[in-house]
Amino acid sequence: QVQLQESGPGLVKPSGTLSLTCAVSGVSIISDNWWTWVRQPPGKGLEWIGEIFHAGNPNYNPSLKSRVAMSLDTSNNQLTLKLNSVTAADTAVYYCARVPFGWLGFGPWGQGTLVTVSS
Amino acid sequence: EIVLTQSPGTLSLSPGERATLSCRASQSFSSSFLAWYQQKPGQAPRVLIYGASNRATGIPDRFSGSGSGTDFTLTISRLEPEDSAVYYCQQYSSSSYTFGQGTKLEIK
Repeated sequence: QVQLQESGPGLVKPSGTLSLTCAVSGVSIISDNWWTWVRQPPGKGLEWIGEIFHAGNPNYNPSLKSRVAMSLDTSNNQLTLKLNSVTAADTAVYYCARVPFGWLGFGPWGQGTLVTVSS
Repeated sequence: EIVLTQSPGTLSLSPGERATLSCRASQSFSSSFLAWYQQKPGQAPRVLIYGASNRATGIPDRFSGSGSGTDFTLTISRLEPEDSAVYYCQQYSSSSYTFGQGTKLEIK
């Protein structure tokens, strides 16, 4: 059973860097899956951040591309997300999810982690 | 970037009724990359439909999807109280994903 679990600081200062990890269990992150990050500001809709595959370059949301970086930590079977120069607009619940080979939609998802940008 | 517009914004129906949710795209794309998600309060989204009309594993056959080009529909027949949620459509094209703004379904 594939499971994902996000973790990281719940509070980040403005202009700082948001750093999150997503621990994956039940499957290797270097298998035939893409991995993705999605965020959701409180009370609002879903925004795709980007996706990464072990054998290719990541794809990022054009609106975030200049500030975001995704990577794979194969030693710990986890994904990492970094978003720099954050503002209050980056306050959101951040989710990681699997994108199965053959594209069956995003799933499963992690439970999400709330990151608040505030001084 | 393809913009997805969902309608209606909110839908209020009774148990046993049928819900029809619409997702319209700003330009045409492959229906192979159209998905629908259900999100309940405090939970992560879960995929219901992928490839416009294929039910994900474990999804009841009350949920069905259809459409192509720029117009897609999620139909939920025989509504049950646990169907109360926000529903999002999603598309993928040109190495980028976008989501619709969501339709809130309330069960009276």
